[in-house]
Amino acid sequence: QAVLTQPSSLSASPGTSASLTCTLRSGINVGTYRIYWYQQKPGSPPQYLLWYKSDSDNQRGSGVPSRFSGSKDASANAGILLISGLQSEDEADYYCMIWHSNAWVFGGGTKLTVL
Amino acid sequence: QVQLVQSGAEVKKPGASVKVSCKTSGYTFTDYYIHWVRQAPGQGLEWMGWINPNSGGPNYAQKFQGRVTMTRDTSISTAYMEVSRLTSDDTAVYYCAKNKENGVHDYWGQGTLVTVSS
Repeated sequence: QAVLTQPSSLSASPGTSASLTCTLRSGINVGTYRIYWYQQKPGSPPQYLLWYKSDSDNQRGSGVPSRFSGSKDASANAGILLISGLQSEDEADYYCMIWHSNAWVFGGGTKLTVL
Repeated sequence: QVQLVQSGAEVKKPGASVKVSCKTSGYTFTDYYIHWVRQAPGQGLEWMGWINPNSGGPNYAQKFQGRVTMTRDTSISTAYMEVSRLTSDDTAVYYCAKNKENGVHDYWGQGTLVTVSS
């Protein structure tokens, strides 16, 4: 079982919100991790968005709109990237990442379609 | 402004080696780690390791230990990543990234496509 699991795709309409999940493997407690989020558009390298550990411990990247925020669902053992006020430019692949067992581990990515 | 400029695309035969360069500018090269991440066609991101440009010390993902070598030349602010014993599974875009702090990779190279084909 993969360390981080993300749904392969998600669709949402412009102006609405999208909640992208990153589920940690059983036995890995989401509460102890910073969850990092990256956005990647076709043909471009990833771009750092933010990391989230708790409401009092989180950071958004320089220039990243406040529409992007992080949270956690402890009951689901998952990190969440919330994108509000969706815009067409938000259509991209989104990857979560954690530091686990002395390595940076990425989730498989979620392709977000805004239509 | 900060820039990371990588070397051009490569085509290699199975069993060969490839060395990708990542020339940096716009900041003090020795102040920030350089990470390497690869992405196979249509696939997700895979972290390969990092190099501390100050000490030259690397840290490789377990999967790549023994087959990947990360080095740097501080005189020209350039990092290098070499992969040996290439197979078709190594066909991917290889990225270098400047690490601002912990998992924050704030600037990335444009990527280098390495194709392994007989």
